[in-house]
Amino acid sequence: KNQVEQSPQSLIILEGKNCTLQCNYTVSPFSNLRWYKQDTGRGPVSLTIMTFSENTKSNGRYTATLDADTKQSSLHITASQLSDSASYICVVSEVRDSSYKLIFGSGTRLLVRP
Amino acid sequence: DTEVTQTPKHLVMGMTNKKSLKCEQHMGHRAMYWYKQKAKKPPELMFVYSYEKLSINESVPSRFSPECPNSSLLNLHLHALQPEDSALYLCASSHPQGAGKWGNEQFFGPGTRLTVL
Repeated sequence: KNQVEQSPQSLIILEGKNCTLQCNYTVSPFSNLRWYKQDTGRGPVSLTIMTFSENTKSNGRYTATLDADTKQSSLHITASQLSDSASYICVVSEVRDSSYKLIFGSGTRLLVRP
Repeated sequence: DTEVTQTPKHLVMGMTNKKSLKCEQHMGHRAMYWYKQKAKKPPELMFVYSYEKLSINESVPSRFSPECPNSSLLNLHLHALQPEDSALYLCASSHPQGAGKWGNEQFFGPGTRLTVL
C-alpha cells in the first residue's frame, strides 16, 4: 500500500530556532512531492513542490529536500516565527495510468513559543 | 486571481436539512476537487471533476451530491447528513493531469466548517 509517513507527530520549539520535519514515502510510481502548511481550520497552502529530479527547493525560510533513492524528504524551517505554528503536511502524487491521486501524510503539528 | 473561494465559512445543519456548499475559482483550472478533513487528520479525497465531468467518486455516501455547473463553480449538495459528517470540507482546483510543468498542483480554498446536529 502506498503510504506517506511523517515525523515527528508534533514539535514545540522556541521562536528564532530552526527545525526539520521528516517525510518518508513508499508511493510508486511517483510524480512529485509537495509540502503544505495548514493553519487550524484553514485550507492547506503550498510551500514547495519537487519532482524526482530535484534535490532541494527553497521558499523563503522554508527549504525542502528530496532523496528519491531513499524516498525521503525533509522540510527545514529557519529562524522560526510565531506565525509558523501550524500543521505541515507532506503530500506525494501517485501516478495511476492516465490519472493520479494525492497521498497525504498525517502531518506534523508545529508550535512555536515566544 | 489565484484564489479558491468557498462559501459559507461555517454551516450548522440538522439531520433533516438540505444545504449546499459552494466553491469558485477563476484560474482557468479544469479539475476541481472536494475533500473532507476531520480534526487532526489529513484531507480525504471525496470527488474529482475533470472538464466539468465527474471522474472520481471515492465511494462517498449518496447523501453527498456533487455538481459542477461550469468550469469555475463546484457545489456539494448535502441531505440527511449524520453527526459524524461534521468536518472541514475543502475545495481545491488544478490544471488537469499532464498540463504544464507541475501538472496537478492543487490550490485549496479556506474550507467550510460543517457541524451536523
